[in-house]
Amino acid sequence: AQRVTQPEKLLSVFKGAPVELKCNYSYSGSPELFWYVQYSRQRLQLLLRHISRESIKGFTADLNKGETSFHLKKPFAQEEDSAMYYCALDNYGQNFVFGPGTRLSVLP
Amino acid sequence: DVKVTQSSRYLVKRTGEKVFLECVQDMDHENMFWYRQDPGLGLRLIYFSYDVKMKEKGDIPEGYSVSREKKERFSLILESASTNQTSMYLCASRGDTSLGGGPSYNEQFFGPGTRLTVL
Repeated sequence: AQRVTQPEKLLSVFKGAPVELKCNYSYSGSPELFWYVQYSRQRLQLLLRHISRESIKGFTADLNKGETSFHLKKPFAQEEDSAMYYCALDNYGQNFVFGPGTRLSVLP
Repeated sequence: DVKVTQSSRYLVKRTGEKVFLECVQDMDHENMFWYRQDPGLGLRLIYFSYDVKMKEKGDIPEGYSVSREKKERFSLILESASTNQTSMYLCASRGDTSLGGGPSYNEQFFGPGTRLTVL
């Protein structure tokens, strides 16, 4: 069955430190993966998708099919990065399967 | 700019009441979704619809039903609300992924959420 796991419920880092939010998936097929972010009192919004191979707000994520992972990374965390982050898998073009989320807290 | 709106930000209901949550999108999207969002559980899919009058069960449909009479509107119905349905409810929409093309063709766009409390 399609599944997305995010092992950390909460991740705290200091401003300027590197950050990595982990995501692993199980999927039979060619996966399309996304990272969504929810800032305080804002709606859930797309941060980036693997197919675009883009860097958004300094974040990047590389799809590793061998390790079935799609970890989100940023070299220098900022306080405004504090938010809830969800990894999501496109389920054959129908719905998304979301992970449980990781709350990132960037400390001053 | 895609707009997905939900009828209420906060709702308080009593056990046994019938509850309607409304969602409207203005991007002519074929697909619409209802999720509930709970701490530690992430987003869980309740129902989705890929066309008018069509619906598919998600992972947790029990206790819920949906209605899609018009393309832009997708309603979630709690026939008899219970306390374990206290949650944040998120609506989302998405275009027809079979069409492909463009950077956002398969992105889901979310509404602001409705926080439902059942007493």
